[in-house]
Amino acid sequence: GQNIDQPTEMTATEGAIVQINCTYQTSGFNGLFWYQQHAGEAPTFLSYNVLDGLEEKGRFSSFLSRSKGYSYLLLKELQMKDSASYLCAVSDSNYQLIWGAGTKLIIKP
Amino acid sequence: NAGVTQTPKFRVLKTGQSMTLLCAQDMNHEYMYWYRQDPGMGLRLIHYSVGEGTTAKGEVPDGYNVSRLKKQNFLLGLESAAPSQTSVYFCAGGTGKDTGELFFGEGSRLTVL
Repeated sequence: GQNIDQPTEMTATEGAIVQINCTYQTSGFNGLFWYQQHAGEAPTFLSYNVLDGLEEKGRFSSFLSRSKGYSYLLLKELQMKDSASYLCAVSDSNYQLIWGAGTKLIIKP
Repeated sequence: NAGVTQTPKFRVLKTGQSMTLLCAQDMNHEYMYWYRQDPGMGLRLIHYSVGEGTTAKGEVPDGYNVSRLKKQNFLLGLESAAPSQTSVYFCAGGTGKDTGELFFGEGSRLTVL
C-alpha cells in the first residue's frame, strides 16, 4: 500500500528553527509537495521537490532524498503566524496526490 | 479573481437527505478535485475531473456522485447522506499533472445527523 508518515504534532519557540520530517512509500514518484493549512482554512502550497536536494524559499526550505523516501520542511526564524498544520503529499505513478495526515506545529512565545 | 469558491460553507443534514456541493473556479483550471478531510487522516480524494465533461473515481467515491458540465464548475452530490459522510470537503483546481500545485476552496463543513 501507499503510505505517508509525518509526526502528529510538534512544538517550537518563536524565533527558533524547526524541521518537520516526512517519509513515504508510494507506487512511483512524481514529486513531493508541502502545504500549509491554518486551522479552519484551506491548504496552501508551500513547495515542490522532484529532484534530490534542498529547495530554499525565504524562511522555508524543503529537502528531498528519493533513495531514502524522505523529505523535510525546515522553517527558520519562526513566527507566531507559522502555527499551522503542515501537509506532506506525494504524486504517485498516476500523478495522484497521496497525502499525509499533517503535522500540527505549535509556536510558543 | 475569486479563485476557487465553494458553496455552502456549512450544512447540517439528516440521514437519508440529499444535497449538492458546488465548486466554482475562475482560474481556467482543467483539473478539478473533491477531497474530504477527517481528523487524524490525510486528505482523501473522492472524485476528480481532467476536463469539461469528464469525471473519474478517486480513493473514496462510494456514496458520492459528481458532474462537470462546464469547465468552471464541479458539483459533488450526496444522494442519501450517512453519518460517515460527516466531514470537511475541499474542492481544488489545478493546471495539470506536471507541477501538481493545487488551489483549494475554503472548505465546506458537512454534518450528517
